[in-house]
Amino acid sequence: DGGITQSPKYLFRKEGQNVTLSCEQNLNHDAMYWYRQDPGQGLRLIYYSQIVNDFQKGDIAEGYSVSREKKESFPLTVTSAQKNPTAFYLCASRKGLAGPLDTQYFGPGTRLTVL
Amino acid sequence: AQSVTQLGSHVSVSEGALVLLRCNYSSSVPPYLFWYVQYPNQGLQLLLKYTTGATLVKGINGFEAEFKKSETSFHLTKPSAHMSDAAEYFCAVSEGLTGGGNKLTFGTGTQLKVEL
Repeated sequence: DGGITQSPKYLFRKEGQNVTLSCEQNLNHDAMYWYRQDPGQGLRLIYYSQIVNDFQKGDIAEGYSVSREKKESFPLTVTSAQKNPTAFYLCASRKGLAGPLDTQYFGPGTRLTVL
Repeated sequence: AQSVTQLGSHVSVSEGALVLLRCNYSSSVPPYLFWYVQYPNQGLQLLLKYTTGATLVKGINGFEAEFKKSETSFHLTKPSAHMSDAAEYFCAVSEGLTGGGNKLTFGTGTQLKVEL
């Protein structure tokens, strides 16, 4: 089955530690996105990538980093510089560069809790 | 810059009653509009989208939405609510390539509760 997988589903981190969230898609999609979801705030864009080896900051990129070495993978690292990292993180992907006619498909999410 | 306002963070309806979830947008160019649904601890699933053409858009699970440019609205409706409709609903807007990378801007969400 084609889709987007995120791992792990739940992640616990101690303050001061970096942690990497995995996002893999086998849909052959070109574009990938990372969102952060907090209660009552909707989804906010962290980073996005439209092609391999290229990515752009979203609205709340501070304290996060990404890489896009392979088309199917877009890992997100939450660094110790992120002051309030506890949230639900969602990865999404979209087929191509043809505009919003291409739907963004979402993964199941990773819930990160900082202890 | 684009933005979305969802009126009512929580909406409660009786089973069988009309569902109406409100969404107003702001966009500097003709917008593309989306409704997504999210069940607890899951990702988002697309319900429907408006890009161009017919302003009344039908989606999955009996939902539909009407794009009204004069009112800058894209309200989501369903004639008869079912218990399985209980979830959080998000409205989103995209300005396409003009906005850079076809980014979606989401509203803050509306939690729908369906009561017996």
